[in-house]
Amino acid sequence: EAQVTQNPRYLITVTGKKLTVTCSQNMNHEYMSWYRQDPGLGLRQIYYSMNVEVTDKGDVPEGYKVSRKEKRNFPLILESPSPNQTSLYFCASSQTRQGVTGANVLTFGAGSRLTVL
Amino acid sequence: AQSVTQLGSHVSVSEGALVLLRCNYSSSVPPYLFWYVQYPNQGLQLLLKYTSAATLVKGINGFEAEFKKSETSFHLTKPSAHMSDAAEYFCAVSDRWWTGGFKTIFGAGTRLFVKA
Repeated sequence: EAQVTQNPRYLITVTGKKLTVTCSQNMNHEYMSWYRQDPGLGLRQIYYSMNVEVTDKGDVPEGYKVSRKEKRNFPLILESPSPNQTSLYFCASSQTRQGVTGANVLTFGAGSRLTVL
Repeated sequence: AQSVTQLGSHVSVSEGALVLLRCNYSSSVPPYLFWYVQYPNQGLQLLLKYTSAATLVKGINGFEAEFKKSETSFHLTKPSAHMSDAAEYFCAVSDRWWTGGFKTIFGAGTRLFVKA
């Protein structure tokens, strides 16, 4: 089954304790992205990656890091989490080859709900 | 710059009634437009997309949307609401870059309630 898998689904942590949210896709997609969802704000992009070793900032990158060492994986790292990073996080992927069905269409993971105390 | 505005953070309809969720967009280039649906405790799923072909786009579960360039709108409709349609709906606009990449901007979302 084609899917994007995120772990953990739920996490409660404390301020300053480094954590990593993993994301893996099995569709050989070039493009991967992280979003955070907050009430009334919709989804805002944190970081994205066009391919292996190519990453760039989205609209709200402060306090986050990412890496793309393999095509299928795109972990989100919070080096020193703070309470304002309490949110619902989504990883998504897409293919980018134009003219192909599914280009620009995002496939989302089930989400990771993070609480920082 | 691109932007998306969804009118109404909450919409309530009776089962069997028409569903109308409003979306207006801003884009400097011909856009790709999408509606995604999010059911409780799940990620977003594609409902339908407009990519410059037919202006009336049909999606899954009986939903459709019409691209109106003159009004910069992409409203989502369904003739008869079902209880299972209760969810949050997101309108999104996407551009395309010469590098082959793209950026997708999401609206704030509209939560649909369906009354029995």
